[in-house]
Amino acid sequence: EAGVVQSPRYKIIEKKQPVAFWCNPISGHNTLYWYLQNLGQGPELLIRYENEEAVDDSQLPKDRFSAERLKGVDSTLKIQPAELGDSAVYLCASSLSRVSPLHFGNGTRLTVT
Amino acid sequence: GESVGLHLPTLSVQEGDNSIINCAYSNSASDYFIWYKQESGKGPQFIIDIRSNMDKRQGQRVTVLLNKTVKHLSLQIAATQPGDSAVYFCAEIDSGGGADGLTFGKGTHLIIQP
Repeated sequence: EAGVVQSPRYKIIEKKQPVAFWCNPISGHNTLYWYLQNLGQGPELLIRYENEEAVDDSQLPKDRFSAERLKGVDSTLKIQPAELGDSAVYLCASSLSRVSPLHFGNGTRLTVT
Repeated sequence: GESVGLHLPTLSVQEGDNSIINCAYSNSASDYFIWYKQESGKGPQFIIDIRSNMDKRQGQRVTVLLNKTVKHLSLQIAATQPGDSAVYFCAEIDSGGGADGLTFGKGTHLIIQP
């Protein structure tokens, strides 16, 4: 089966600019996650979707971050405006359910200058 | 919230030896645990999982042990190979915890010495 696909792989932007990341989960996976991973750290959950519904977005900085999962398949994570501290790898994952293994994409490495 | 942690940031082993990576978790309500392997430039890759009704689970060259009494999880890799070099994360979740998602520890970097 095809894995989780993310794009772009790399993104370099200047601070205060907007940026968007895209994720296509594994077909049939209703649960989709966006994680942030800083260098040398484990992934940290930003938001979790069950189909189209964001069921856990408590860690998403809502003043600048937004996400959507229209039609319950693909998802987009946006940052506007980006700050220097947003430089990190943004990982998307999907799973059949909340308590089944997550399958990760290879992430988008964001560098904010 | 409560978090999952690792005992050692780096573990160096000889090729062919067995590796043991440890993890301590603090949420006593956690009942599902997963080990992930992450190679440089890639996303975490599922290795093996275990539910709290089990103490041990084996896969191909890997074994996960769960000690709920002391809230400890370990990953054993038999006959370590160069391709096992990566960062290993344990992750945990309370399946009855409602909105909470999978929580990851900080990771252990496994280095294979030739």
